[in-house]
Amino acid sequence: AQSVTQPDIHITVSEGASLELRCNYSYGATPYLFWYVQSPGQGLQLLLKYFSGDTLVQGIKGFEAEFKRSQSSFNLRKPSVHWSDAAEYFCAVGARNQGGKLIFGQGTELSVKP
Amino acid sequence: DTGVSQDPRHKITKRGQNVTFRCDPISEHNRLYWYRQTLGQGPEFLTYFQNEAQLEKSRLLSDRFSAERPKGSFSTLEIQRTEQGDSAMYLCASSSTPGGGSTDTQYFGPGTRLTVL
Repeated sequence: AQSVTQPDIHITVSEGASLELRCNYSYGATPYLFWYVQSPGQGLQLLLKYFSGDTLVQGIKGFEAEFKRSQSSFNLRKPSVHWSDAAEYFCAVGARNQGGKLIFGQGTELSVKP
Repeated sequence: DTGVSQDPRHKITKRGQNVTFRCDPISEHNRLYWYRQTLGQGPEFLTYFQNEAQLEKSRLLSDRFSAERPKGSFSTLEIQRTEQGDSAMYLCASSSTPGGGSTDTQYFGPGTRLTVL
């Protein structure tokens, strides 16, 4: 079955500390991978995406993610977290020629301590 | 580029009533998606359109749900005889058909939060 797992429901980091949010997927086809961020009561904003090529992708707001096929992972990282990064983060997977439907993980809520 | 817009942003209704939501995609996008998101969960796919054709529907989309995109522009999602379990955020996204066999990038609207009393 196709699925996305975000093992950490809630993470708290101190402002200025580094961040890594985990994402593992199970997908039969060649996956395309996305990270979205959602602030309370808002829609989803695209942070970054991986389609092919370089497995380390850069996104907005200083985020990056690395695709590791052998581990079926697409973890999101940021070297120094800002208080404004506090939000819910969703990993999603889609596939080529399957209509673009996305399967989302449960999300990881990020809190930032001053 | 004004982004994806949804109306209304909030809707409170009584059980058994019908509700309709509207989504206006980014103007040049020919694909439009509906997702549902309940509290503490990620969005779940409901259905999608390419132009005016509805190409896929999730099993989550019961007979009480219907979606249309009559002219390939805006879309409506109607829920008939609402139930308390329908309370959720309904998200719309749009994208353009990818070329070269790649996939598309979906851009989301702010959502419509439905509360069924």
